[in-house]
Amino acid sequence: DGGITQSPKYLFRKEGQNVTLSCEQNLNHDAMYWYRQDPGQGLRLIYYSQIVNDFQKGDIAEGYSVSREKKESFPLTVTSAQKNPTAFYLCASRHRPGLAGGPLGELFFGEGSRLTVL
Amino acid sequence: DQQVKQNSPSLSVQEGRISILNCDYTNSMFDYFLWYKKYPAEGPTFLISISSIKDKNEDGRFTVFLNKSAKHLSLHIVPSQPGDSAVYFCAAARQGAQKLVFGQGTRLTINP
Repeated sequence: DGGITQSPKYLFRKEGQNVTLSCEQNLNHDAMYWYRQDPGQGLRLIYYSQIVNDFQKGDIAEGYSVSREKKESFPLTVTSAQKNPTAFYLCASRHRPGLAGGPLGELFFGEGSRLTVL
Repeated sequence: DQQVKQNSPSLSVQEGRISILNCDYTNSMFDYFLWYKKYPAEGPTFLISISSIKDKNEDGRFTVFLNKSAKHLSLHIVPSQPGDSAVYFCAAARQGAQKLVFGQGTRLTINP
């Protein structure tokens, strides 16, 4: 079945450590996104990528880094520079770069990764 | 600046009654709106959408209404069922833009 796979589902990290969250999709989607969910703040965009080898900062990119070496993969690294990394992280993908809405443009989300900094 | 706002963090509705979830936006350039449903520890799933050329879109028990002059949209669920208990996010976009802007979410609880 096609879908988006995020791993790990739960992750604990010590302060000062970098950690990488995996996101893989087999939907043949061009665009991929990373969102962060915090209580009472909805979903905030961290980074997004419309095509391979290209990505852009979202609204809260500080302390994060990404790569897009393959169409199927969009890993997110939470660096030690991220001041408050404990959150639920969601990866998403969609068809058709440049069109954020529409029946072909809706986002498909993975099940999320919960990161806790100890 | 919160461009998409869901001012009710939570809503409790009796099973079988109508649930109405509200969403306001400030950016008049938004012309496409979506609702997503999210269960705990899972990713959101697409529920229903509406283009700014319409004022209503219906899909089974779910209807979304758009009032462009008030910059307000609402999601109606009727009749409400226990499986509808979840967090609902509204989102908005401009045609050709690269991203969706999400509201804070409303937690809907359907009581038996």
